[in-house]
Parts: sequence; structure tokens; C-alpha cells
Amino acid sequence: KAGVTQTPRYLIKTRGQQVTLSCSPISGHRSVSWYQQTPGQGLQFLFEYFSETQRNKGNFPGRFSGRQFSNSRSEMNVSTLELGDSALYLCASSPGQALTDTQYFGPGTRLTVL
Amino acid sequence: AQTVTQSQPEMSVQEAETVTLSCTYDTSESNYYLFWYKQPPSRQMILVIRQEAYKQQNATENRFSVNFQKAAKSFSLKISDSQLGDTAMYFCAFIPLNYGGSQGNLIFGKGTKLSVKP
Repeated sequence: KAGVTQTPRYLIKTRGQQVTLSCSPISGHRSVSWYQQTPGQGLQFLFEYFSETQRNKGNFPGRFSGRQFSNSRSEMNVSTLELGDSALYLCASSPGQALTDTQYFGPGTRLTVL
Repeated sequence: AQTVTQSQPEMSVQEAETVTLSCTYDTSESNYYLFWYKQPPSRQMILVIRQEAYKQQNATENRFSVNFQKAAKSFSLKISDSQLGDTAMYFCAFIPLNYGGSQGNLIFGKGTKLSVKP
């Protein structure tokens, strides 16, 4: 089976712009989670989707949003980018309904905000 | 607040030796799951080992084992017979199961950078 894929792998944006990141889970996986990884804050949970419904949300401002499609692919959007949004954004999928299931991570999208 | 603390930002070990990575966490929940994840340089993060809080027996996966001390809220990872391929960032994480069985969010520590030297 193909692993979790994320596109694009690298992205450079300027402050005030918006960005959309994409994640394709492992075939058959219905849960997709998103994380932000920075040197200062480490790994922080953004949100999790299961069957097109957002089930959990981390403590991020409303500029961060996401959605999941019927084929389980997920996108996250960040509007009005700030310098502090520069980070590695990781997507993870799992087969079941529980976040306690093993999560399989993608390679990440490296976002740089100038 | 629910937190995970990894007190060793960096560690190194000689190949074939044993190393222990520390992790403590803070939660008011009585039931939760604990994990160690490994992120090799420029590679994807993978699960190393998991432990359910209500299970007293420490989890093991080949050369990886944990020492779970629930009362002390400690969850250390022991790597035996270290190999060069074990060089990576190691993240401790937990997810609380709230009252009523709903899940909280996955909470990560800041990580320990482990270097295995030949």
C-alpha cells in the first residue's frame, strides 16, 4: 500500500496570503489528523477528521481550517498568513475511529512565510 | 493543563549499547494511551511503541521497551543493542480518554534527539 502523501512538499508564501495543503491518506484509512511542527513549540495538534466530520480541534486560531472529502483526502487552509505560521505541517492517517489507533504520518509540507 | 515533558533534548549512545529516554506527563484523567514516535532525519515519523494506561505490563517491541510508572506519571523508553538506524528524534506522546470515553487530543513532548555513534 502507498503511504500517506502530502502535497506540495515545500511552499513559500508571503505574509497576508493564504495557503492550502493537501493530504492523501493510506487507502482504506478514514481518519486524518493534522499537526504543526516548529522548533519552538514542537508538535501541536491542529484537527482531526473522520468520515468528512471534524471530531477534534486543537488550540489554533480560526485562520486554520480544514476539510475532508468523501474519498478521505483532506485539505487544510491557512488564511492571512503570519511569519509564525512557518512550520512543517504533518498529516497522519489511521484506519479506525480512534485517535488511539496507530497513526501513519506523511512526509510533511514545509511552509515558509516571508 | 495536560503536558508531556522530555527532559533530555539530546542524547548520544555507542552502537550496541543501551540507552533510556525519559518522559513524564501530567493529566488528571485516569485512562489514556501513551506512545513513543520516532522521526529519522528527513524521513517520516513512525510509531515505535504504545502503552495503554490500564495495563500494568510494560510494552515491548523487539529492542524497544518501556518502563511505565503510572503513579509517577513516567513513561521512559529503553533501546537495547542500539543501531545506527536508531538515530532520530524521539517523541513521547499521550492521548487522554475523557470521562465518558471521548478522546482528547494527541499531546506531544518536545522530543529527544538521539545520536547513535559507531
